[in-house]
Amino acid sequence: DILMTQSPSSLSASVGDRVTITCRASQIIDIYLNWYQQKAGKAPNLLIYTASSLQSGVPSRFSGSGSGTDFTLTISSLQPEDFATYYCQQTYSTPWTFGQGTEVEIK
Amino acid sequence: EVQLVESGGGLVQPGGSLRLSCAASGFTFSSHWMHWVRLPPGKGLVWVSRISTDGSRTTYVDSVKGRFTISRDNAKNTLYLQMNSLRAEDTAVYYCARDSRDARAFDVWGQGTMVTVSS
Repeated sequence: DILMTQSPSSLSASVGDRVTITCRASQIIDIYLNWYQQKAGKAPNLLIYTASSLQSGVPSRFSGSGSGTDFTLTISSLQPEDFATYYCQQTYSTPWTFGQGTEVEIK
Repeated sequence: EVQLVESGGGLVQPGGSLRLSCAASGFTFSSHWMHWVRLPPGKGLVWVSRISTDGSRTTYVDSVKGRFTISRDNAKNTLYLQMNSLRAEDTAVYYCARDSRDARAFDVWGQGTMVTVSS
């Protein structure tokens, strides 16, 4: 199975900050990397697919980059509604696997 | 409106069974692979299973192989997860999710249904 490792596991940031979350795969996954946002008690929401494509309806402050084994999710200017847990997911080979999550908290 | 609505969760004893359902609406259900994903309390997301558009191909995470069965009824626009021999570690919120077809991502999710395995 492909192991997905996110860093950091949690971070504290202020509104307006630039936030970067990284995700590393245990083997090459090409660009088959997705990012989801999940708020407490809610279903996950797709933000970015195939590493850098912005899902329809997602604000442009979210962006993704990377290929191979190393990937990044960037929030250019953190907004109050962005405080949530973020997960990366590989869909290169089954079983699809998620990272352990990164909790973004208010500083 | 594109929507997925899960049902069937609840409290079950270890070794028991439960069948989850996921009712789809607002899109052509039969054109999409479908998935089940779970969120154990205090932990991260875990992909559980997937099924092809016609139901002929299925895949499972190792931890549920031989115990869980995914199926679908395209005439009823409904996805199922039959869970047998349940264990405490199966306790989680279970989500159904739609495969986006082109992007190999889960673009529509249900609200989730809680399964608690406890005596």
